[in-house]
Amino acid sequence: EIQLQESGPGLVKPSQSLSLTCSVTGYTITSGYDWSWIRKFPGNKMEWMGYISYSGSTNYNPSLKSRISITRDTSKNQFFLQLNSVTTEDTATYYCARGYYDGYYHSYYFDYWGQGVMVTVSS
Amino acid sequence: DIVLTQSPALAVSLGQRATISCRASESVRSSMHWYQQKSGQQPKLLIYGASNLASGVPARFSGSGSGTDFTFTIDPVEADDIATYYCQQSRNDPPTFGSGTKLEIK
Repeated sequence: EIQLQESGPGLVKPSQSLSLTCSVTGYTITSGYDWSWIRKFPGNKMEWMGYISYSGSTNYNPSLKSRISITRDTSKNQFFLQLNSVTTEDTATYYCARGYYDGYYHSYYFDYWGQGVMVTVSS
Repeated sequence: DIVLTQSPALAVSLGQRATISCRASESVRSSMHWYQQKSGQQPKLLIYGASNLASGVPARFSGSGSGTDFTFTIDPVEADDIATYYCQQSRNDPPTFGSGTKLEIK
């Protein structure tokens, strides 16, 4: 069974960097699919942040492009989120998820998700 | 970015039909997907490609629509269906989500 698990600090100070880890079990992240970070703000708005593909290429939401980096450690089957220069507006629950491109239906959706980690940006 | 508009909440009696709508700011063809998120849990994929049931999802759940107007239906509603339901489009990059519809039981 594929499982994803986020980890990282729950509190980050403004202007610092937010760093999270997603550990994947049951599937090797270099075998296929995209591996995304998605966040949900207080009030329920959800935002796709970006992904790292099985081949190592990345794609980021243009709204975050100057602040975000997604990397991976294939030996540990983990991928990472770094978000720089955070403000209180980055307070959210952060999820990692597997993105699946369904060529038959011309669709891209998220079929496995982690439990999420709540991150608060506050001094 | 494509904006997806959902009604904030819907109250339905047990055993009745719940219909949740999602309107896109421009056509997404059939690239619309639906998720269920229960309190304290991660989102769960229910419908992909507008009308296709994800693996293991009961047939009480269904989706329809294309272009800009989509509908997600639960029939009949059970107590375990209390959750917030989100639509998500993948026609254009970046993928975007609706603001969610909270399903409540009357």
